[in-house]
Amino acid sequence: TQLLEQSPQFLSIQEGENLTVYCNSSSVFSSLQWYRQEPGEGPVLLVTVVTGGEVKKLKRLTFQFGDARKDSSLHITAAQPGDTGLYLCAGGTGAQKLVFGQGTRLTINP
Amino acid sequence: GAVVSQHPSRVICKSGTSVKIECRSLDFQATTMFWYRQFPKQSLMLMATSNEGSKATYEQGVEKDKFLINHASLTLSTLTVTSAHPEDSSFYICSAPPDGNQPQHFGDGTRLSIL
Repeated sequence: TQLLEQSPQFLSIQEGENLTVYCNSSSVFSSLQWYRQEPGEGPVLLVTVVTGGEVKKLKRLTFQFGDARKDSSLHITAAQPGDTGLYLCAGGTGAQKLVFGQGTRLTINP
Repeated sequence: GAVVSQHPSRVICKSGTSVKIECRSLDFQATTMFWYRQFPKQSLMLMATSNEGSKATYEQGVEKDKFLINHASLTLSTLTVTSAHPEDSSFYICSAPPDGNQPQHFGDGTRLSIL
């Protein structure tokens, strides 16, 4: 069974600080997606990374896929209250299935 | 962009009732759809893979007779929670990949509350 360990599960920081969320696994994934989920809604895709070592930037968010395609990180620079939410990493497996990490509940305090 | 619509968004019903949840791909065809369950403050857990024109594939520990899945067309999959009980209360979410090389797009979820 493929597992994704996401950390930290809870993070509360002040506006303007930087943070990094990690997803780690002993398994290789064909792709790695990062989603953001608001209460009462479905996850919304932020980014997909597919190549080992790949780095993608989305404004203040930087996503990286590990060289061996077993881990990924999400770094947010100068966090803002609008970044508050549940962030989920998900690894792509065969047959289009996704394996989700436990999620990181991020709170940015003004 | 690809849109997945889920209905209803919220259901409150008595114990013993069967509840049907619909998942539609609005602007693309989906031969495969996925059903997830999410308990409060937890991540998404895959329940089953819905396959158009054939039987669904259930994950380990998910009762196929409890959670009936029908995927009768390329744009619609339904999940029926049969004889629902309070422990079935959860947030149910469906997803579909527009094609084999694209990430999944998720519906907005259905909040099921069994009294």
